[in-house]
Amino acid sequence: EAGVAQSPRYKIIEKRQSVAFWCNPISGHATLYWYQQILGQGPKLLIQFQNNGVVDDSQLPKDRFSAERLKGVDSTLKIQPAKLEDSAVYLCASSFGQGAEAFFGQGTRLTVV
Amino acid sequence: GQQLNQSPQSMFIQEGEDVSMNCTSSSIFNTWLWYKQDPGEGPVLLIALYKAGELTSNGRLTAQFGITRKDSFLNISASIPSDVGIYFCASLGETSGSRLTFGEGTQLTVNP
Repeated sequence: EAGVAQSPRYKIIEKRQSVAFWCNPISGHATLYWYQQILGQGPKLLIQFQNNGVVDDSQLPKDRFSAERLKGVDSTLKIQPAKLEDSAVYLCASSFGQGAEAFFGQGTRLTVV
Repeated sequence: GQQLNQSPQSMFIQEGEDVSMNCTSSSIFNTWLWYKQDPGEGPVLLIALYKAGELTSNGRLTAQFGITRKDSFLNISASIPSDVGIYFCASLGETSGSRLTFGEGTQLTVNP
């Protein structure tokens, strides 16, 4: 069974530029998560989808971050404009349902210079 | 909000030694998950716990869901060099749609 796929693996951008990340969850997984992991810290939830609906986006900086999961499968996370403090690894995870085990992709390492 | 206190922050041990780490919280949880993260990779699920008091093993790893539902521990027996990495606990609360929250991690170093 294929795991969670994320792209790109690495991205370097200048501050004030925009960037987008893509995630393809495990087939059949209804729940999709985007996490931000700053170096030396645990992952922090940005947004959680159940199918194509948002369950929790309370920690998403909505002035610059947006995410969508239009057909309930793939998802994109966008940052516009990026700030230096957005440098982090962005992890996508999926689970069969809410309350089930979550499986992670390899992440996208973003560096904002 | 939910907050997990994971300890210790780091451990330095000799190959062959046993290791224990734990997570505590003031909140009650329905699910405890333990993950391992290697450099440059996403977290990999090691053990999932769904019932208070549950004790589950996965090879040399053993984890328990605390009776109070507010804590969990992970033990690694007879450590080997490939056990090196960061171990995270994560938990889900009681309410539907609750957030999967992570601890800050335990960095494990195993000296051969």
